Amino acid sequence: DAGVIQSPRHEVTEMGQEVTLRCKPISGHNSLFWYRQTMMRGLELLIYFNNNVPIDDSGMPEDRFSAKMPNASFSTLKIQPSEPRDSAVYFCASSQGTAQETQYFGPGTRLLVL
Amino acid sequence: AQSVSQHNHHVILSEAASLELGCNYSYGGTVNLFWYVQYPGQHLQLLLKYFSGDPLVKGIKGFEAEFIKSKFSFNLRKPSVQWSDTAEYFCAVTPGSFQKLVFGTGTRLLVSP
Repeated sequence: DAGVIQSPRHEVTEMGQEVTLRCKPISGHNSLFWYRQTMMRGLELLIYFNNNVPIDDSGMPEDRFSAKMPNASFSTLKIQPSEPRDSAVYFCASSQGTAQETQYFGPGTRLLVL
Repeated sequence: AQSVSQHNHHVILSEAASLELGCNYSYGGTVNLFWYVQYPGQHLQLLLKYFSGDPLVKGIKGFEAEFIKSKFSFNLRKPSVQWSDTAEYFCAVTPGSFQKLVFGTGTRLLVSP
């Protein structure tokens, strides 16, 4: 199994630009999670989907952030417009959809907003 | 506020020393407990998890953790660390039936050869 796939691995952009992060979950997993990791705030859940439906988006920082999951094998996290404080590592994870299941993490996207 | 606490932010050990990393959570009711590890430059990987049964859980690479319900704790242990255990360790909780993983702040472990 290829594991959770994320792209790009690194992104450098200028403030005000749109940023789109992509994730392909493990085949057969029906839950997908977006996390952000920063030095100041640690690892925090932004949003998660179950069967392609957003279940909890309470961690999404503000309206500049949006996430979609158009099908079971693809999700995007979009930041528009980006700001320097969005600089972080963004992880996608997937699981088989219960609270006891292991969440498998992707390699992350390291985002730097100048 | 409900949270997960990891008291040691940085730990430095010599090879063959014993390791114990503390984790406490503040959720009432049923919880599912996890320890994840992040090796330098890599993504998070599961070390072990507990949701029921024997409160002493064994994971990969010789790690184990003990769930003590009365203390709201899930401490991670390893009898003898190796240089390759240098990593950041995260305790995490899913409360009840919710899938939302809440992470502690992490503990950076440095094992010197």
